[in-house]
Amino acid sequence: LAKTTQPISMDSYEGQEVNITCSHNNIATNDYITWYQQFPSQGPRFIIQGYKTKVTNEVASLFIPADRKSSTLSLPRVSLSDTAVYYCLVGRSGYSTLTFGKGTMLLVSP
Amino acid sequence: NAGVTQTPKFRVLKTGQSMTLLCAQDMNHEYMYWYRQDPGMGLRLIHYSVGEGTTAKGEVPDGYNVSRLKKQNFLLGLESAAPSQTSVYFCASRLVAGGPYEQYFGPGTRLTVT
Repeated sequence: LAKTTQPISMDSYEGQEVNITCSHNNIATNDYITWYQQFPSQGPRFIIQGYKTKVTNEVASLFIPADRKSSTLSLPRVSLSDTAVYYCLVGRSGYSTLTFGKGTMLLVSP
Repeated sequence: NAGVTQTPKFRVLKTGQSMTLLCAQDMNHEYMYWYRQDPGMGLRLIHYSVGEGTTAKGEVPDGYNVSRLKKQNFLLGLESAAPSQTSVYFCASRLVAGGPYEQYFGPGTRLTVT
């Protein structure tokens, strides 16, 4: 399984755009990149998945360069409620398990 | 749909006591998982199941046992609790075929072993 590296923590202010980058140098051809969000005292929840270029949904955008060795989760105009831990995972749908790692703690301040 | 539910939400055990955590899902998912989460450690996989009657070890299986007698339920047992098992336990489930790698998580069980 591809190993991922992401910042331990990030700070932002309300209304700003936040970009969290994840490095996955040994990603395999068939691997997808998936991001989860975890609020305090709750289980993680899926927010977005992509293979290449750009994916956007109502929550976030995911940017993946051509070499796929990294990816960037973009949260537009964050609010206090976006304070959470964000996990980057890499793997195939056929995998039974994926490793969550420690994630990035995003703190949004007023 | 209730999604993934966990019972109990909180529990305090004395060292050496046993208990069973229950996870139930009503989404007809094939795969189910048990994780533990400790401060600063992220989520670590304890055991998982790829279908009724099957179980497999994850990253940190020692001290735990599991059973998947029914597709909708996944039980996590602690035979002789130790203080090192103080943690928050999350259950999750997912569909097998295709689609994004999306696990649905329960609300968690906070366990304290004294």
